[in-house]
Amino acid sequence: KQEVTQIPAALSVPEGENLVLNCSFTDSAIYNLQWFRQDPGKGLTSLLLIQSSQREQTSGRLNASLDKSSGRSTLYIAASQPGDSATYLCAVGVGDYGGSQGNLIFGKGTKLSVKP
Amino acid sequence: NAGVTQTPKFQVLKTGQSMTLQCAQDMNHEYMSWYRQDPGMGLRLIHYSVGAGITDQGEVPNGYNVSRSTTEDFPLRLLSAAPSQTSVYFCASSWVQGAYEQYFGPGTRLTVT
Repeated sequence: KQEVTQIPAALSVPEGENLVLNCSFTDSAIYNLQWFRQDPGKGLTSLLLIQSSQREQTSGRLNASLDKSSGRSTLYIAASQPGDSATYLCAVGVGDYGGSQGNLIFGKGTKLSVKP
Repeated sequence: NAGVTQTPKFQVLKTGQSMTLQCAQDMNHEYMSWYRQDPGMGLRLIHYSVGAGITDQGEVPNGYNVSRSTTEDFPLRLLSAAPSQTSVYFCASSWVQGAYEQYFGPGTRLTVT
């Protein structure tokens, strides 16, 4: 059964620092991997989607990488800002090419706090 | 586009009551799904649909029913609410199952007493 782990559970950094959030998964046969942001009491906002054939995706100050063979993904945030404070969730698209293909399995998230 | 909308935002039920959580999207997405989010558990898939008339179970389907009569709507029914169903419920959609990013609604916070 696929399991997704995010470490650390919480992270506090000063404004301006570059940081890396980690996501690991146990089954490398994934369909894709998606990073989300969740603000308190809100829904999830999609940040980046990496297909299984891709190595990385970039959007603005965000860069996500994928290494399927080692079961790892990282989300790199450059020049962090207080507005980046949120919980970041990693979700793996199931690679079963049956009916459940692409269904998401989530990690528990990393709560990021960026101090001014 | 309104995106994915959910109603109600908050709901309190007594044990044994039934209710329907509404989800609608205006993006003509074929794939829709329901998740629940619990502290310490992360989000877990309840049910999903790959198109009108087609539904299937996710990881935690017990106590919930779904149907998909139109592309736009995917309601989640609680048949007989239990305190274990206290959670935040999220609906999500994407163009088709698998290949595209999923868009989430704002959630419904449900408390069962």
